[in-house]
Amino acid sequence: GQQVMQIPQYQHVQEGEDFTTYCNSSTTLSNIQWYKQRPGGHPVFLIQLVKSGEVKKQKRLTFQFGEAKKNSSLHITATQTTDVGTYFCAGASGGYQKVTFGTGTKLQVIP
Amino acid sequence: DTAVSQTPKYLVTQMGNDKSIKCEQNLGHDTMYWYKQDSKKFLKIMFSYNNKELIINETVPNRFSPKSPDKAHLNLHINSLELGDSAVYFCASSPGRRQGSTDTQYFGPGTRLTVL
Repeated sequence: GQQVMQIPQYQHVQEGEDFTTYCNSSTTLSNIQWYKQRPGGHPVFLIQLVKSGEVKKQKRLTFQFGEAKKNSSLHITATQTTDVGTYFCAGASGGYQKVTFGTGTKLQVIP
Repeated sequence: DTAVSQTPKYLVTQMGNDKSIKCEQNLGHDTMYWYKQDSKKFLKIMFSYNNKELIINETVPNRFSPKSPDKAHLNLHINSLELGDSAVYFCASSPGRRQGSTDTQYFGPGTRLTVL
């Protein structure tokens, strides 16, 4: 079945440093979504990317979808303590309304 | 108003018991899901219903049985609970009206199940 891996699994950064998480799928994706889960909370949708090579920005967050539509990345510039949480990518590759969540990257920001 | 709600929030029970978790969404969505998140935070889809019809049924022990009385509700019943069932169970919903599309999912607050 489809597998979606994320690296790194954990990342500790000093506040103000940049952070990147990478998402790799074993199959070509039709689209990819990103979610953020705060400690003790539930996943919250951030963004969806559909086109090959697509880049989208949300303030300090930059999302990219690979040219081959098998990988994606999330980059956070100048992290803040409010960025703490686990970031998941979720890939769709056929199958009605089904996404496969990545393994997640847990971000800790040290003030 | 809570968009996707789950009850109970916490559930502690003995091995072998049967328990149910309820989920309701007031977003008017057609599709609802159950996910299991284990201690390593991996999120695995279990089931999905579209307008009361089962559309996704992953490899889940048949001790788990979802029930959707209407498109706003998706309940999860678990028979003969085992230690390995301990996890956080999330309900989610999405508009899910377009064939071949993948919509934003809205998650409930989760139910933390502990089996002793």
